[in-house]
Amino acid sequence: DAKTTQPTSMDCAEGRAANLPCNHSTISGNEYVYWYRQIHSQGPQYIIHGLKNNETNEMASLIITEDRKSSTLILPHATLRDTAVYYCIVPWGNEKLTFGTGTRLTIIP
Amino acid sequence: DVKVTQSSRYLVKRTGEKVFLECVQDMDHENMFWYRQDPGLGLRLIYFSYDVKMKEKGDIPEGYSVSREKKERFSLILESASTNQTSMYLCASRKGTVFNEQFFGPGTRLTVL
Repeated sequence: DAKTTQPTSMDCAEGRAANLPCNHSTISGNEYVYWYRQIHSQGPQYIIHGLKNNETNEMASLIITEDRKSSTLILPHATLRDTAVYYCIVPWGNEKLTFGTGTRLTIIP
Repeated sequence: DVKVTQSSRYLVKRTGEKVFLECVQDMDHENMFWYRQDPGLGLRLIYFSYDVKMKEKGDIPEGYSVSREKKERFSLILESASTNQTSMYLCASRKGTVFNEQFFGPGTRLTVL
């Protein structure tokens, strides 16, 4: 399965764009990149996913490099409620998501 | 509003007790999952089920069993609880393949004394 590497923690000022990187250099051609986040004391929540092209929804944007070996999740105007652990996942097979330890994002007032 | 619910938010049990953690989803999802979450280790998959009465081992099944008698309910069983099973337990459900969104419950924080 494709392994992902994320920074352990990051800070971002409130109102600024938060850019969370993820490396997935062993990803294969048909594997998607998924992002979930986990706010304290809650279960993880889906954010966005993509294959090749950049994706945007009401929560975030996902930028995937042309070689697909890395991606960046962008929260365009971070708020205090965006403080959470963010997981970048490349699913294994068709069955299960494997969560690593993610990036702990702290939004600074 | 889609929902995954877990029977308890907090649970305290003694070593050697049999423990049942219940999970119910109201979305008619085929797939259900049990994870545990520990500091520094992230979420680790214990068991999953892709249909009624079907189950598959995840990454850390030792010391656990599961039951899926009805589509909406997935139970995690600790046959003889031990202190190293003190953890946050998270249930999830998903329709179809891994390419669909996976929904999580709020978690059960289990303490084994």
